[in-house]
Amino acid sequence: DGGITQSPKYLFRKEGQNVTLSCEQNLNHDAMYWYRQDPGQGLRLIYYSQIVNDFQKGDIAEGYSVSREKKESFPLTVTSAQKNPTAFYLCASSMNLAAGELFFGEGSRLTVL
Amino acid sequence: AQSVTQLDSQVPVFEEAPVELRCNYSSSVSVYLFWYVQYPNQGLQLLLKYLSGSTLVESINGFEAEFNKSQTSFHLRKPSVHISDTAEYFCAVSDRGGSNYKLTFGKGTLLTVNP
Repeated sequence: DGGITQSPKYLFRKEGQNVTLSCEQNLNHDAMYWYRQDPGQGLRLIYYSQIVNDFQKGDIAEGYSVSREKKESFPLTVTSAQKNPTAFYLCASSMNLAAGELFFGEGSRLTVL
Repeated sequence: AQSVTQLDSQVPVFEEAPVELRCNYSSSVSVYLFWYVQYPNQGLQLLLKYLSGSTLVESINGFEAEFNKSQTSFHLRKPSVHISDTAEYFCAVSDRGGSNYKLTFGKGTLLTVNP
């Protein structure tokens, strides 16, 4: 079935460690996104990419990094510079940036101990 | 800059009662409007969208929303809710045909349907 796969679903890390969250899509979508969700705050955009080898910062990019080496893949690295990394992370894709309609993965919950 | 306000953070209702989840937006240009639903520990799913044409849009599971340009609102309604409708609902807005992508989400409304 077509869709977006995020892994791992749950992840624990110690302070000071970098961690990479995986996001893969087989929808043949050009655009991909990473959002962070915190209780009562809705979704906030971290990074987005409209095409391979290109990505842009969203509203809260500090402490995060991404790459887009393949159309299907858009991994997110949460670095030790991110001051409050414990959150639910959602990856999404759309046909293109103008499409508006996003398709979401099931999320990755990161807990920093 | 565009913004979305969901006026209620939580809405508890009884099964088979009607419900309205309120959403207001602000934008300097014409917009696309969306409602997404999120069940516990899952990603978001598109519930319905307004792109153009009829201002009343419907979903396959009985929800509807009406775009009101003069009031800059896109409230979500259902005449009779089920237990299975318990979820968090997010309103979102994006500029129509803008050169800079921006899909802005509200903070969400938790709908709890009680027996």
